[in-house]
Amino acid sequence: EAGVAQSPRYKIIEKRQSVAFWCNPISGHATLYWYQQILGQGPKLLIQFQNNGVVDDSQLPKDRFSAERLKGVDSTLKIQPAKLEDSAVYLCASSLGSSWRRETQYFGPGTRLLVL
Amino acid sequence: AQKVTQAQTEISVVEKEDVTLDCVYETRDTTYYLFWYKQPPSGELVFLIRRNSFDEQNEISGRYSWNFQKSTSSFNFTITASQVVDSAVYFCALSEAQIQGAQKLVFGQGTRLTINP
Repeated sequence: EAGVAQSPRYKIIEKRQSVAFWCNPISGHATLYWYQQILGQGPKLLIQFQNNGVVDDSQLPKDRFSAERLKGVDSTLKIQPAKLEDSAVYLCASSLGSSWRRETQYFGPGTRLLVL
Repeated sequence: AQKVTQAQTEISVVEKEDVTLDCVYETRDTTYYLFWYKQPPSGELVFLIRRNSFDEQNEISGRYSWNFQKSTSSFNFTITASQVVDSAVYFCALSEAQIQGAQKLVFGQGTRLTINP
């Protein structure tokens, strides 16, 4: 079974530029998560989708970050404009979405973003 | 608020030694789940184990074992006879119920484990 796919794996941009990350979850997984992992820290949830609806985006900096999951499968996370402090690894995860009690999240390889 | 603390930032041992990674959590929920993930240098978080709050039995999987103690709010992870391939950052996480069947994970800050040959 294919895992969670993410692209690109690496991205270097200058501050104030925009960037987009793509995620394809495990087939059949209804729930999709985007996390930000700053160097030396644990992942922090940015946004969570159940099918194509947002469940939780309370920690998403909405003035510069946006995400969508239009057809309930793939998702795109965008940053515009980027700041130096956005340098991090952006991880995508997915889970079945049947019940929180039975959920296990499976992670993709992440996108390493460096903002200069 | 839910919180996970991994007090050990870095651990370094010689191959074949046993090593224990500590995890302490805080939650007001009576039903919750605890997880361990491994993050090798490649960056992907690899799922290791999930444990629910009603099951305090210890679990063993090969060289890995987990000790869950509700009385001390701890969920520690032991690697027996460590190997160089065990070198990674290990994260403990606590799940929080969400609406619509989703789940929110709160991660600790991670423990970087280095196994030296």
